[in-house]
Amino acid sequence: DAGITQSPRHKVTETGTPVTLRCHQTENHRYMYWYRQDPGHGLRLIHYSYGVKDTDKGEVSDGYSVSRSKTEDFLLTLESATSSQTSVYFCAIRPSGLNTGELFFGEGSRLTVL
Amino acid sequence: TQLLEQSPQFLSIQEGENLTVYCNSSSVFSSLQWYRQEPGEGPVLLVTVVTGGEVKKLKRLTFQFGDARKDSSLHITAAQPGDTGLYLCAGADSWGKLQFGAGTQVVVTP
Repeated sequence: DAGITQSPRHKVTETGTPVTLRCHQTENHRYMYWYRQDPGHGLRLIHYSYGVKDTDKGEVSDGYSVSRSKTEDFLLTLESATSSQTSVYFCAIRPSGLNTGELFFGEGSRLTVL
Repeated sequence: TQLLEQSPQFLSIQEGENLTVYCNSSSVFSSLQWYRQEPGEGPVLLVTVVTGGEVKKLKRLTFQFGDARKDSSLHITAAQPGDTGLYLCAGADSWGKLQFGAGTQVVVTP
């Protein structure tokens, strides 16, 4: 158990509304990631963080922002949700000291934008 | 652009049969990982292979990393219904950044 909790686990919202997904970890890992998973695309990196207030973009960052004010929390925000952002979102951590990139994932947050 | 190609996309077999899933790329990776994902859950790491030509075994699962570190395979012997899931490969660059394949859905029926 990597001690990762995502919330909410399910959310239905309307186009144009803001949405924030939260990832909480209990083991003080430095690296945290947000991915989205869609059929036929696998997992695609949205944003990642390498420390408090240190974040960077992934391959599909448009329309998303992130914040990390504490080591344990990594927030993903959709400022104005669109139907193309309907997806399952996964948070992941990379245990400190592992340089082979291995990730441990949360259980996912399913977002539906109507 | 999907740098890692997995094949097949879907595989349905009977319990007791063998299966192989492939992960191919034109890129060289520092390491390659295999994950299994079950419905409603996040992917779970199965194995990491690092050295070209490396073979790792995990019970009935055998993982191989190609000599050139561009491809990998996962072989399951005598598959069981508990092996059902989405199998994902992921290649890591020298910074540890991952590129995932689209996944292979495996269904094992009793």
